[in-house]
Amino acid sequence: SSELTQDPAVSVALGQTVSITCQGDSLRSNYATWYQQKAGHAPVVVIYGVRFRPSGIPDRFSASSSGNTASLTITGAQAEDEADYYCHSRDSSGLRYVFGTGTKVTVL
Amino acid sequence: QVHLVQSGPEVKKPGASVRVSCKASGYTFADYLINWVRQAPGQGLEWMGWISTYNGDTGYAQNFQGRVTLTSDTSTSTAYMELRGLSSDDTAVYYCARVLRGDFALDFWGQGTLLIVSS
Repeated sequence: SSELTQDPAVSVALGQTVSITCQGDSLRSNYATWYQQKAGHAPVVVIYGVRFRPSGIPDRFSASSSGNTASLTITGAQAEDEADYYCHSRDSSGLRYVFGTGTKVTVL
Repeated sequence: QVHLVQSGPEVKKPGASVRVSCKASGYTFADYLINWVRQAPGQGLEWMGWISTYNGDTGYAQNFQGRVTLTSDTSTSTAYMELRGLSSDDTAVYYCARVLRGDFALDFWGQGTLLIVSS
């Protein structure tokens, strides 16, 4: 079972803002990376190193962290943002890695 | 540009073993770690382990300890994942992914290899 917990699903109206959270004790001392995965495709990193976006990732994607919770925010969601999103971090031992349970984002 | 190309789909019987390959191109293979991740049908991502393609050091998720072996061959820029004692629970898409230097983010992924375990 994952040590990082995410809400299974969220929905957002086109052009509105949505935040996805990832909770776990290991996040108190480790930051999260975020991935977007569209059906039938490999995941794509959208945030790494706490809040950096790889080239090609729109600036509507941002991240933050507080205590045991990491968050990914999509400001002005677009239809193409509809996907599954996963957080990723070290586990509580610090020696291994773990993915969050995943959040399905639906853009209405 | 960076590419990770994985071997094709596999069908195995319970109890068998499988080896999946991941051939890298477009960068210096030994300069980056490789991770393996799997995804069962309709399920989330599951981290399996990492390998240093520089010196062969490895780290495995507890769920797979003793059942998975990661190796790499710098002469062919290829990483391998061997999983033994297969059961139907191992039916999944298996991905290799390169680790971003200085971080643990997985910046480039293979296309995935579907493994079906069925009697």
